[in-house]
Amino acid sequence: GQQLNQSPQSMFIQEGEDVSMNCTSSSIFNTWLWYKQEPGEGPVLLIALYKAGELTSNGRLTAQFGITRKDSFLNISASIPSDVGIYFCAGYQGAQKLVFGQGTRLTINP
Amino acid sequence: DVKVTQSSRYLVKRTGEKVFLECVQDMDHENMFWYRQDPGLGLRLIYFSYDVKMKEKGDIPEGYSVSREKKERFSLILESASTNQTSMYLCASSSGTSGSNEQFFGPGTRLTVL
Repeated sequence: GQQLNQSPQSMFIQEGEDVSMNCTSSSIFNTWLWYKQEPGEGPVLLIALYKAGELTSNGRLTAQFGITRKDSFLNISASIPSDVGIYFCAGYQGAQKLVFGQGTRLTINP
Repeated sequence: DVKVTQSSRYLVKRTGEKVFLECVQDMDHENMFWYRQDPGLGLRLIYFSYDVKMKEKGDIPEGYSVSREKKERFSLILESASTNQTSMYLCASSSGTSGSNEQFFGPGTRLTVL
């Protein structure tokens, strides 16, 4: 099945730095979701976006639904050690079937 | 809060065994999903279900079957486990019929087939 192009694949940052990651597609999506997965656990939903141009925050996390409906980004401000994990974007093109990015692995040096 | 639970966190089975993975959600969600997650391949949809006794094939249904006898429970069955089915299996659920609602995941079952 189709996958979203998520970048970067991995990030190594210092504690306190801001983080930015994005997902792109050649196709239009009508919903974007951002998940975080910690080792040995299932993905946890962070933010859901439903409208082109929508900008939504959840604490230090901010995500935007691109105006072209073909991309989305996630920013994390002032990173802390518990932000470590793999972040996935996911999107719906039609009903029910969610398409996933391959994930961005975030590592934080204290 | 939505809670999706999976019957086992870790499972070790032998080649040829029949394996049942159980998933239960407590939010009265209509839709349930089974994925497998492998390094470098991301999450791939195996089967999903819109309603009780209904099922649809996902992207990689071969070697798997599912059962949904009750709304809250969705089972994944490996009829004859093989080593290439060693993977992390994730169950998810979502509400409604609009098709674009958030999916909530369980903690996963890490299955090893020897």
